[in-house]
Amino acid sequence: AQSVTQLDSQVPVFEEAPVELRCNYSSSVSVYLFWYVQYPNQGLQLLLKYLSGSTLVESINGFEAEFNKSQTSFHLRKPSVHISDTAEYFCAVQAGGTSYGKLTFGQGTILTVHP
Amino acid sequence: DVKVTQSSRYLVKRTGEKVFLECVQDMDHENMFWYRQDPGLGLRLIYFSYDVKMKEKGDIPEGYSVSREKKERFSLILESASTNQTSMYLCASSEGGRREKLFFGSGTQLSVL
Repeated sequence: AQSVTQLDSQVPVFEEAPVELRCNYSSSVSVYLFWYVQYPNQGLQLLLKYLSGSTLVESINGFEAEFNKSQTSFHLRKPSVHISDTAEYFCAVQAGGTSYGKLTFGQGTILTVHP
Repeated sequence: DVKVTQSSRYLVKRTGEKVFLECVQDMDHENMFWYRQDPGLGLRLIYFSYDVKMKEKGDIPEGYSVSREKKERFSLILESASTNQTSMYLCASSEGGRREKLFFGSGTQLSVL
């Protein structure tokens, strides 16, 4: 079985500051890794994913995450945040041998960007 | 755009009632999922379905059942609602196979009194 731990339940930052949201996972098999974002009063949407190849993956709005197999981590970073990045962020893992796209999610991190 | 529609945004029910949560997707996706979202616990998988009339238990199936009679529709049923089932329920769908992203509905906030 897989599990995901997001180490921070809430992260407050000022606008234009850098941010890191931490995610660790455990699995006995190879995994695919995802970050989803939930803006206020909206459903979850995919932010970025790691399937294979380069361990650094990027989203279209400036976030990036790095897969670190030795540390079993997939931390999400952004060098300069905007007010509009305020949302809840979920890290998720899918076991490589799993069929049907089932995801295991972490507890979520609420990112609040202050002016 | 893919659309996953959940029939109700807010629902209030009494303890012991039978509750139906409906979800419809318009992209001919094979897989459909029901999660519940609770503060501090993230999303937990209740049930999923990979084909019409096919279903599998997720991590927390107790107290729930599901129905998938048509490919586009996936229903979550609370046979006898209890207060500990007060939660946000999220439906999602994806294409067949691994690695495909999930498309989520906006959620149903269920309160059981």
